[in-house]
Amino acid sequence: QVQLQESGPGLVKPSQTLSLTCTVSGGSFSSDYFYWSWIRQPAGKGLEWIGRIYTSGVTNYNPSLKSRVTISIDTSRNQFSLKLSSVTAADTAVYYCARGPGGATSEAFDIWGQGTMVTVSS
Amino acid sequence: QSALTQPASVSGSPGQSITISCTGTSSDIGAYNRVSWYQQHPGKAPKLIISDVDKRPSGVSNRFSGAKSGNTASLTISGLQAEDEADYYCCSFVGSVTWVFGGGTELTVL
Repeated sequence: QVQLQESGPGLVKPSQTLSLTCTVSGGSFSSDYFYWSWIRQPAGKGLEWIGRIYTSGVTNYNPSLKSRVTISIDTSRNQFSLKLSSVTAADTAVYYCARGPGGATSEAFDIWGQGTMVTVSS
Repeated sequence: QSALTQPASVSGSPGQSITISCTGTSSDIGAYNRVSWYQQHPGKAPKLIISDVDKRPSGVSNRFSGAKSGNTASLTISGLQAEDEADYYCCSFVGSVTWVFGGGTELTVL
């Protein structure tokens, strides 16, 4: 059973770079053909897709965040990561990693991590 | 790309059926059969309940069903149960390799 777990600092200073890692367990991360995404949710608000990466390393980003986002993958460690630069208070949110959409799965986010809260504050 | 439009809240009594709408445009929901729905209980991660407009993942109750007509997708929950009380989000592929969520609907079971 595939499981995802986010990790990283819970507090980031304004103008700095937010860095999170998602560790995938229970599957053949390097050989399976899946996309892996980052999604965020500010407190009391809706969900926002940030971007995705394929196991080959190909990435797609939300146009509204593209200039500040980098998603990378390390198949040897069963991990993929998010970097969001020049953060402001508006980037304060729960950040989720998820499997999908597309690739060997449906056009949906079918497995989610539990989420990690990131606060941007000095 | 604007968020898809969902009602802020819906309610129903146990045993009843409710439908949550998700309205987009001819460029997103109307153009692609790539609509999914998620259930989110307070403090928990979202859970996929419908993919590709009307497909139910293994393990999801058959009380949940999805449909699409024109630029509007819908989620129907039949035989409402107390455990269905949660927030529900739709999501659609909107072209240019981008996905957008709806604003979310709070379901109250009376």
